[in-house]
Parts: sequence; structure tokens; C-alpha cells
Amino acid sequence: DQQVKQNSPSLSVQEGRISILNCDYTNSMFDYFLWYKKYPAEGPTFLISISSIKDKNEDGRFTVFLNKSAKHLSLHIVPSQPGDSAVYFCAASFRPRLQGAQKLVFGQGTRLTINP
Amino acid sequence: DTAVSQTPKYLVTQMGNDKSIKCEQNLGHDTMYWYKQDSKKFLKIMFSYNNKELIINETVPNRFSPKSPDKAHLNLHINSLELGDSAVYFCASSQDRLIRTGLHRGYTFGSGTRLTVV
Repeated sequence: DQQVKQNSPSLSVQEGRISILNCDYTNSMFDYFLWYKKYPAEGPTFLISISSIKDKNEDGRFTVFLNKSAKHLSLHIVPSQPGDSAVYFCAASFRPRLQGAQKLVFGQGTRLTINP
Repeated sequence: DTAVSQTPKYLVTQMGNDKSIKCEQNLGHDTMYWYKQDSKKFLKIMFSYNNKELIINETVPNRFSPKSPDKAHLNLHINSLELGDSAVYFCASSQDRLIRTGLHRGYTFGSGTRLTVV
């Protein structure tokens, strides 16, 4: 039962244009949502996060939007640059028990390619 | 000065062997994790340790045993390796106190260990 899904395995965007990566989730207990970026042969690196009580968070060229009613979030990158080419993972966190450990659940990733 | 380091980076071994993957973090974090990236590319949590205490143990075969000698290290030992164990294993760490206060930057990951069982 996959609680976080990224339905697009790949996305190709022209340099300078906007890249939009999408993510859907099923668990209403998630309290934070995060995006990670991964280059080949490296571990995922944190990009941006958003609390479940907000609907938008912006950091430079990166903006994450959260639509709780639709259980959907998206990452916008504008303008897209060649260095943005990577796999992007959506992740969601929750704490199953109040004093217990935080759990981070990942989607399967979307490979973004920025074309010159 | 790598924050989370895993060794080895690549591991090729035969079925039935026992192997270990080591992980160390120098960030002063109190919680460490092992994740497995399977053939479908999902990253799935296996174990989590907080201050050397096991706090998350997902449905993982008993052949997998994590060991945390101190809060900077979390090693993964795998007995009787099977073909299905082939995957990329990622170690990660976090400061749980920061997550609780809302300074949520998730986890810091190592670069992964690609395990191939032949």
C-alpha cells in the first residue's frame, strides 16, 4: 500500500521554462511534506518542505504547493536550469505515536531532464 | 568531512553469504535510519535507531540485523543473502528535536550502497 505516489516516472522540460512535478498521497496524518533531489550515485538531498497547515512555501526558484482537500502537492521550478536535471522524490512525514519516532514515506521519484 | 558516510559503496556477493554495511554520521544527530531502494525505485524504511535504541522496525526478514554501537554509527548486517536482497541501501540521520520544533529538513542521506547478490 503505497501512501505517497508520483505517477510520472519522467518529465522533460526546456531550459528557462517551468518544471512542475506532482505528488499524491493517501494518509491524512501526514504533517510535513518534503521534496528531495537525487543525482546518480548520490543520496537524496533535501530541497524544500511544507507544513500541512500551509498551502505554499517558496525558496528561490523552488515553490511547493499543497492542496490538502485533493491530497496533492506539486513542486514548481522556475526558471528550469540544466543543473536541475535529477530524480525528484516527494516524501511525507508523520509520527504514528505522539512520543514515537517520525516516519518519512517516499514516492518512487520522477526523473526530470532539462533540455538546452 | 562527509556528513553521512556509508561503506562499501558497491558490494557484489554470492547467495548464502553474510555481509555488513557500515554507516557513520558526524552531524551530531540523535536518530539514524536504513532505507532500501527496491527495483521499482521506492525508498522504503527498514529500521530507525534513536540514541542507540531501536524505534522503528518495519516488516524486514530476520536475516537483517541493525547494530548501533553508539549514536554516530548504525551498521546493517545481512545473513544468508538472497537474490531478492539486491538493491541500493541508504543510511540517513536526523535530529528528532528539530523535527519536533517544526524545523523540518527531513533526513541527511548517505550516498548509498549498491548490493548485488549473484
